[in-house]
Amino acid sequence: NAGVTQTPKFQVLKTGQSMTLQCAQDMNHNSMYWYRQDPGMGLRLIYYSASEGTTDKGEVPNGYNVSRLNKREFSLRLESAAPSQTSVYFCASSARLAGRSTDTQYFGPGTRLTVL
Amino acid sequence: GNSVTQMEGPVTLSEEAFLTINCTYTATGYPSLFWYVQYPGEGLQLLLKATKADDKGSNKGFEATYRKETTSFHLEKGSVQVSDSAVYFCALSANQGAQKLVFGQGTRLTINP
Repeated sequence: NAGVTQTPKFQVLKTGQSMTLQCAQDMNHNSMYWYRQDPGMGLRLIYYSASEGTTDKGEVPNGYNVSRLNKREFSLRLESAAPSQTSVYFCASSARLAGRSTDTQYFGPGTRLTVL
Repeated sequence: GNSVTQMEGPVTLSEEAFLTINCTYTATGYPSLFWYVQYPGEGLQLLLKATKADDKGSNKGFEATYRKETTSFHLEKGSVQVSDSAVYFCALSANQGAQKLVFGQGTRLTINP
């Protein structure tokens, strides 16, 4: 049981390049989330998927797109990377359909992205 | 909007010292409150949570009590160990139907032997 896995662990991009961050969970969770972590700012929600087949914007969605490929996988795409997207990206999942405020979220190990 | 404010770090203590990390929040309604911990090079993991006023969450010797009157959820531990060195995040969730965590900025804790 690997929990939440993310690939890649590290990535360096040039401005304007595109890439997709992959996330998978093997806990049969319904809800999945993407966050970015910046120094001194905690984590901020980019997008989430309350259930398979649905996605919604979080606090900072501009410049990103997501795909809930199936129940296990939730990818984050940067179409045209900018230096402001340099950050550590975390994927998370939680068990219940559509989530509840009391749910525990389980986090992956993160992807450290640098945009030059 | 909803927000969480944590005491600024970094915090450096000696082993066996008493720890308090302050956390206050602003939210509409009745949020659930969480403490997550991030060890070096890892993702976040839940440390403890409280889902209603006056609840006390506890785990691994850490405790936090949900105080609605002071809108606070301070983290405490009576005797810290070197292995407690990590970054601690306070967070709230105020939504039903889709959980959206709002995090504080994090407090880096270093425990010296």
